[in-house]
Amino acid sequence: EAGVTQSPTHLIKTRGQQATLRCSPISGHTSVYWYQQALGLGLQFLLWYDEGEERNRGNFPPRFSGRQFPNYSSELNVNALELEDSALYLCASSLANVGYNEQFFGPGTRLTVL
Amino acid sequence: SQKIEQNSEALNIQEGKTATLTCNYTNYSPAYLQWYRQDPGRGPVFLLLIRENEKEKRKERLKVTFDTTLKQSLFHITASQPADSATYLCALVSLSGGGADGLTFGKGTHLIIQP
Repeated sequence: EAGVTQSPTHLIKTRGQQATLRCSPISGHTSVYWYQQALGLGLQFLLWYDEGEERNRGNFPPRFSGRQFPNYSSELNVNALELEDSALYLCASSLANVGYNEQFFGPGTRLTVL
Repeated sequence: SQKIEQNSEALNIQEGKTATLTCNYTNYSPAYLQWYRQDPGRGPVFLLLIRENEKEKRKERLKVTFDTTLKQSLFHITASQPADSATYLCALVSLSGGGADGLTFGKGTHLIIQP
């Protein structure tokens, strides 16, 4: 069974540009989560999508947005990139979020903002 | 404010000994607590889940305890091996309204098992 996949593996952008990150969940999983892991800050919850709708978002500005497609894949968009957006962005999926389901993580996209 | 604390410094353990990692939380009422393992440059991997009404959970060489009075979870690896070296993350799940708020992660503890 294929795991969670993310693309691209690495992404280099300059300040002010926009970045688009993609995630494909495990087949059968309807919930997708996005996390940011910056150096020294640990995993920070960004967004949670379930059945195509945004269910919750973390404490991030509106320039972080995303969507979930009918096939449950998801896209994270970061507008007006800032230097501090440089981080590993992790996507995770789970069966319909009932609170206790384990999350399966992808390998991440390393975003570097110059 | 809500806080999850894990040992910030690396934990060095001799191979064969039991490694014990701590996760403390404040201003939180988690319904579930999960432990994950993360290797450098990779996404976390789920290890164990424990519910608020459970005191202890075991899986092979792993054991997790959950004390809601002390607001603490302990994660034990018995008969530790160098391959157990990684960063271990605890994550809390709170429930509100009709569902979960999602996972909130601690910063993790870097465990090093010395041969």
